[in-house]
Amino acid sequence: DGGITQSPKYLFRKEGQNVTLSCEQNLNHDAMYWYRQDPGQGLRLIYYSQIVNDFQKGDIAEGYSVSREKKESFPLTVTSAQKNPTAFYLCAVRDRGGDTQYFGPGTRLTVL
Amino acid sequence: QKEVEQNSGPLSVPEGAIASLNCTYSDRGSQSFFWYRQYSGKSPELIMSIYSNGDKEDGRFTAQLNKASQYVSLLIRDSQPSDSATYLCAVNSPGAADSWGKLQFGAGTQVVVTP
Repeated sequence: DGGITQSPKYLFRKEGQNVTLSCEQNLNHDAMYWYRQDPGQGLRLIYYSQIVNDFQKGDIAEGYSVSREKKESFPLTVTSAQKNPTAFYLCAVRDRGGDTQYFGPGTRLTVL
Repeated sequence: QKEVEQNSGPLSVPEGAIASLNCTYSDRGSQSFFWYRQYSGKSPELIMSIYSNGDKEDGRFTAQLNKASQYVSLLIRDSQPSDSATYLCAVNSPGAADSWGKLQFGAGTQVVVTP
């Protein structure tokens, strides 16, 4: 969806570093989500936010943190506590009044 | 037991044939069902959504839902090489109030359309 941007497209992290993935949307949607995808596996929910200044843990929140200070932005920080962070990270927004989710282009994170 | 299950494939389909993909889910309260297509290295894109039992057609795609049997399927007619991708099934997760809007995803079925 052209209204959802994620940056960077590729990210390399050294052991012990925290890194922040950006997700921005101009669709005026309230709900935003972060997923992780590993090869051959489905999407697993990390965190989600239904409104500014509020967010909830998903199924695999350990080692991650988020903030939601603006409606347009939902950044994800991968902390050094996340032991296996190499994955494809996807941000999604949910359309208003329904539960259809649309995805950004993703960020591929690799730990060196 | 996984909440949303799909055959991983690969499903090999001759060009011009019908590809049939199946998905089963465990939550009887689920009301919304989605099919996403994901090309290698790209993010998922929505193909179809279905909410009522029966068939829903959109171009070469037909989604079929049977809530009593807890399965949803996707048919791709006149398959083209450009249909080669992984297809993800997603189901909403009703229940607690804070789970509203959450989707559970299957691992996906890889489809390979051969010329």
